Amino acid sequence: EVQLVESGGGLVKPGESLRLSCAAAGFTFSKAWMTWVRQGPGKGLEWVGRIRSKSDGGTTDYAAFVKGRFIISRDDSQNTVYLQMTSLKSEDTAVYYCVSSWTAPWGQGTLVTVSS
Amino acid sequence: DIVMTQTPLSLSVTPGQPASISCKSSQSLLHSDGKTYLYWYLQKPGQPPQVLIYEVSNRFSGVPERFSGSGSGTDFTLKISRVEAEDVGVYYCMQSIQLPRTFGQGTKVEIK
Repeated sequence: EVQLVESGGGLVKPGESLRLSCAAAGFTFSKAWMTWVRQGPGKGLEWVGRIRSKSDGGTTDYAAFVKGRFIISRDDSQNTVYLQMTSLKSEDTAVYYCVSSWTAPWGQGTLVTVSS
Repeated sequence: DIVMTQTPLSLSVTPGQPASISCKSSQSLLHSDGKTYLYWYLQKPGQPPQVLIYEVSNRFSGVPERFSGSGSGTDFTLKISRVEAEDVGVYYCMQSIQLPRTFGQGTKVEIK
């Protein structure tokens, strides 16, 4: 059974950085293309970006709003995907979910609050 | 970016009655591989989204038969044949044919 557990969220000030983690289990992580999706308070779902498997190049794609501020990486030895976020803005306040497949269960997400 | 437009944005339904949600995409979601990459999710209160339908009309494992998806190209519909109390939440359509992946605004379904 697919299990995804996000962590690392918290309260940060505008301009600060934060690294989110997503620990995966129940599937062959090294083969999975991992995605981050976020949801602002009371808002809809927004795709953040994804990372391909290393065998598919390990490259990343991002939403335009990221604008070089976020980096997705992975550690296949730890079955973990990361979202490094820098220059955080108030509009980045959201629950961040990692997704292994569009038909697999999502994790519970981790809340990031950017506020002075 | 592909814009996904859902209607209505909210729906109040009597238990046992049908419900229907429309999702229109600004571009065709038909891929050259013959598949159409349109998904439907339900986000129940306080929970992450869960997939209901994938590739337009395929009900995911464990999803009740009262849920069905249809459509093609740019026009899609999610139907609930007889709404039950457990169906409350926000329904989203999503496309995965093009980056960035995009979601509809969501349709909030409540029970009368």
